[in-house]
Amino acid sequence: EVQLVDSGGGLVKPGGSLRLSCAASGFTFSSYAMVWVRQAPGKGLEWVSSISTSSTFIYYAGSVRGRFTISRDNAKNSLFLQMNSLRGEDTAVYYCARDSFGGFDSWGQGTLVTVSS
Amino acid sequence: QSVLTQPPSASGTPGQRVTISCSGSTSNIGSNAVNWYQQLPGTAPKLLIYSNNQRPSGVPARFSGSKSGTSASLAISGLQSEDEAVYYCAARDDNLNGPVFGGGTKLTVL
Repeated sequence: EVQLVDSGGGLVKPGGSLRLSCAASGFTFSSYAMVWVRQAPGKGLEWVSSISTSSTFIYYAGSVRGRFTISRDNAKNSLFLQMNSLRGEDTAVYYCARDSFGGFDSWGQGTLVTVSS
Repeated sequence: QSVLTQPPSASGTPGQRVTISCSGSTSNIGSNAVNWYQQLPGTAPKLLIYSNNQRPSGVPARFSGSKSGTSASLAISGLQSEDEAVYYCAARDDNLNGPVFGGGTKLTVL
């Protein structure tokens, strides 16, 4: 069974940093591109970042470019999102998801990031 | 303001057929496949339709998708109470190197 488990969220002050993790199991992690998608409280979905299978291609939404860094460790079946210079508008539930060309076909349970003083 | 435009709400009675529209532009829906996601209350989104009209394994045939030009739609026939959820359309945008989502449509089963 495909499983993605998100972790690392929490309360952080504006300007602070946080590192999110996503542990994958049940599939060949190194064969799939991965993404982070976030959802602000009561709002819709927003794509944050994508990373290709071997980390060759990395893309970011304009709202996070230069502040967030996506990475992966295929040996440990793990996806990461390093978030720096956090702002109030980054408050959201962050989901990792598997990109299977036909869409994001598996999602983590999400981890809540709250940016507040 | 989402790049893809969806109606904020839709409703129907059990057994009815409802459709949800999604409007975009040539850089997204007009040149890329459309996917639909279902988000039940308090849960992560779930892929419902991919590549405009394909259903992943396990998704009932009551759900169908279509695309024409820069618009797409999701149809749900034989509406059931468990279909009450928020539905999002999405498509890759050539200007962003990533997907854009609609604002979501909250479906209420009356």
